[in-house]
Amino acid sequence: AQSVTQLDSQVPVFEEAPVELRCNYSSSVSVYLFWYVQYPNQGLQLLLKYLSGSTLVKGINGFEAEFNKSQTSFHLRKPSVHISDTAEYFCAVSVFLASYGKLTFGQGTILTVHP
Amino acid sequence: SQTIHQWPATLVQPVGSPLSLECTVEGTSNPNLYWYRQAAGRGLQLLFYSIGIDQISSEVPQNLSASRPQDRQFILSSKKLLLSDSGFYLCAWSGRPYNSPLHFGNGTRLTVT
Repeated sequence: AQSVTQLDSQVPVFEEAPVELRCNYSSSVSVYLFWYVQYPNQGLQLLLKYLSGSTLVKGINGFEAEFNKSQTSFHLRKPSVHISDTAEYFCAVSVFLASYGKLTFGQGTILTVHP
Repeated sequence: SQTIHQWPATLVQPVGSPLSLECTVEGTSNPNLYWYRQAAGRGLQLLFYSIGIDQISSEVPQNLSASRPQDRQFILSSKKLLLSDSGFYLCAWSGRPYNSPLHFGNGTRLTVT
């Protein structure tokens, strides 16, 4: 079975500073990787996904993530955050050729951007 | 474009009462459908998924059930709610390719009192 660990439960940062949200996964087979964002009392919105190809993936709202197979990581980064980036972020994994769309989620990281 | 509707947005129910949460998807056919539950500080837990009408799989034993009466309709039910059923329930859909991302509804906040 696969698992996802988000190494930080909360990340405070000042506006316009860079940020990195860390995600590590465990799986005995190849995986697909996703980052989602959740604003208060809303559903999850897809930020970006890694399916294959280039290990650097760009998503919406200026976020990007890098897939590192040797370190089994998929860290999310943004060079300059805004107040509006304050939200909870979830890393998720699905197993290659596994049942459709069955994602395993991490516990989430709450990003708080201070002015 | 595809949209997903989930209702109600909030619900307060007494222990022992029944539950019915509804989710519909528009703009696509034969979607895979999912129910997730999000408890405070515990991430997301997959409850049910469905790859077609009358094809529903349960991931976690509990007093909840799911049904798919139409291709794009997914219902989460309970005959008798428990306090532990409180949480944020999210419906989602995905396309057929196995690497399709999930698209979530806005969720239902259920409080069992």
